[in-house]
Amino acid sequence: DIVMTQSPDSLAVSLGERATLNCKSSQSVLYNSKNYLAWFQQKPGHPPKLLIHWASTRRSGVPDRFSGSGSGTDFTLIISGLQAEDVAVYYCQQYYSIPYTFGQGTKLEIK
Amino acid sequence: QVQLQESGPGLVKPSGTLSLTCAVSGDSISSHNWWNWVRQPPGKELEWIGEIYHSGSTNYNPSLESRVTISVDKSKNQFSLKLTSVTAADTAMYYCARNHYDWGQGTLVTVSS
Repeated sequence: DIVMTQSPDSLAVSLGERATLNCKSSQSVLYNSKNYLAWFQQKPGHPPKLLIHWASTRRSGVPDRFSGSGSGTDFTLIISGLQAEDVAVYYCQQYYSIPYTFGQGTKLEIK
Repeated sequence: QVQLQESGPGLVKPSGTLSLTCAVSGDSISSHNWWNWVRQPPGKELEWIGEIYHSGSTNYNPSLESRVTISVDKSKNQFSLKLTSVTAADTAMYYCARNHYDWGQGTLVTVSS
């Protein structure tokens, strides 16, 4: 299984500032120039919401303050200009090989 | 806009079988998508259970494969999950999803006598 490791486990950022969340996979999820990596946002009592797939493609309707980058085994989700509504747990997931696996999550809070 | 709705018993006895259904609206179960089940124990991370294509082709998490069956009912535009020999460790919120794009609200299943 591909192990997904996120860092940090929790993060406190001031409103309007930048939040940087990291995700590392135990093996490359790159194939044919595509990274099989997604980022989700989960708020309490709600299902995960897809923010970004293919490592850097924002889903339609997702604010452009959310951006994804990285390739191979190292990935980053950046939230620029943090807003109160961004408080949530963020998960990365690889869909390169079965079983698809998720990271343990990063809990984002307001400082 | 696609909507997915999980349904099934919220309480299952140990050693019993967990059975859930996901009703799909706004898309055909026969579309070119994989239909997934994912679970999340209370306060813990997400675990992928498996997926099915409308043809009946399935992929399962090897950690659960011996106990899991996912099936599709095209006539009802829904797909289902069966998990046998459940224990307390199977207590979780169970979600159905279209690929990784769209998710149901989830249903909590508790395994307890």
